[in-house]
Amino acid sequence: DAGITQSPRHKVTETGTPVTLRCHQTENHRYMYWYRQDPGHGLRLIHYSYGVKDTDKGEVSDGYSVSRSKTEDFLLTLESATSSQTSVYFCAISESRRGGQETQYFGPGTRLLVL
Amino acid sequence: KNQVEQSPQSLIILEGKNCTLQCNYTVSPFSNLRWYKQDTGRGPVSLTIMTFSENTKSNGRYTATLDADTKQSSLHITASQLSDSASYICVVSALNNNDMRFGAGTRLTVKP
Repeated sequence: DAGITQSPRHKVTETGTPVTLRCHQTENHRYMYWYRQDPGHGLRLIHYSYGVKDTDKGEVSDGYSVSRSKTEDFLLTLESATSSQTSVYFCAISESRRGGQETQYFGPGTRLLVL
Repeated sequence: KNQVEQSPQSLIILEGKNCTLQCNYTVSPFSNLRWYKQDTGRGPVSLTIMTFSENTKSNGRYTATLDADTKQSSLHITASQLSDSASYICVVSALNNNDMRFGAGTRLTVKP
């Protein structure tokens, strides 16, 4: 998984509870991304970062916030978890902007269940 | 409607057989198309990438084709192995922005 770790790998939480997922990379890549993967849907971008403290929204950003205080760490926070946020969350990294010919490398995923 | 449609949704084949997975897209203007392999419980791993000028790309037993005129791609797997059991995801990028669109994937099961 290209020097990418995600924690926790599995989490069960209750509706209304705040949740933070962590992505850590050892590749020193500039770009980091958070995706969610749901059955019947392709991976969908939540937020991404193009540098320390530089972040932007993806296509499904409502209900999520992110922070990047160090190159190697990208945090995804669900301020008040809802059942619709039950999903598998993937972190990805790349050296240059997404959509270019540079490969995105994905972490192992975090399986989140919101009851 | 998703801008990247994959078919079939799932496929079961016997070990040693060949198979072809399809990807149709409407993403425009086109930049590149990737195929990823995703093992159960793991993140996707890139297999191939093709730009507008490329119509075929191989990676071992995996061969991807691209017809940019009809906006179709296929992934052909030759002499399948049990380890090919996975989901295969088609991803299309647009030229003028950072947008990447992921297909929902084809779930391939190779049986002995």
